[in-house]
Amino acid sequence: KAGVTQTPRYLIKTRGQQVTLSCSPISGHRSVSWYQQTPGQGLQFLFEYFSETQRNKGNFPGRFSGRQFSNSRSEMNVSTLELGDSALYLCASSFLAPNEQFFGPGTRLTVL
Amino acid sequence: AQRVTQPEKLLSVFKGAPVELKCNYSYSGSPELFWYVQYSRQRLQLLLRHISRESIKGFTADLNKGETSFHLKKPFAQEEDSAMYYCALLISSGSARQLTFGSGTQLTVLP
Repeated sequence: KAGVTQTPRYLIKTRGQQVTLSCSPISGHRSVSWYQQTPGQGLQFLFEYFSETQRNKGNFPGRFSGRQFSNSRSEMNVSTLELGDSALYLCASSFLAPNEQFFGPGTRLTVL
Repeated sequence: AQRVTQPEKLLSVFKGAPVELKCNYSYSGSPELFWYVQYSRQRLQLLLRHISRESIKGFTADLNKGETSFHLKKPFAQEEDSAMYYCALLISSGSARQLTFGSGTQLTVLP
């Protein structure tokens, strides 16, 4: 069974731009969670989607948003990028509840 | 506040020695805890969960509600155990659930 895939793997953007990251969960998984990973803050929860609905949201500004499609694929968007948004963004999927999660390889975002 | 604390950022042990990675949690509900591991240049993956009470790759972890701890242990460390280990707590609020991770412990097993 194919694992969680994330595209693109690397991105370089400049301040003020916006970016969209994509995540394809494991087939049959309906819950998709997003995390931001940085050396200073570790793994920080962004949001979780289930059946196209945002079920939970972490403590991030409104510039961070996401959505989920009917095939469970998910996207996250960051608008008006700031230098501090540079991070590894991880997507994880699970069958129903976000407990035993399977992680993707991440998208490395660099904001210049 | 609901949080997970891993007090050691770095931990080094010699091959064959016992290893214990500490994890403490703070949670008002019934805790559901996990250990995730990230080997070099690999993706984060689930190592074990407390509800299954299983041993994976020789690692075990026991939930101690009195001490609010979920320490990860292995009696004889191997070089291939060198990795970043994260303790995680599933926080539930109604239908909303999220995994909250500790800051991680980098384990190095020396030859």
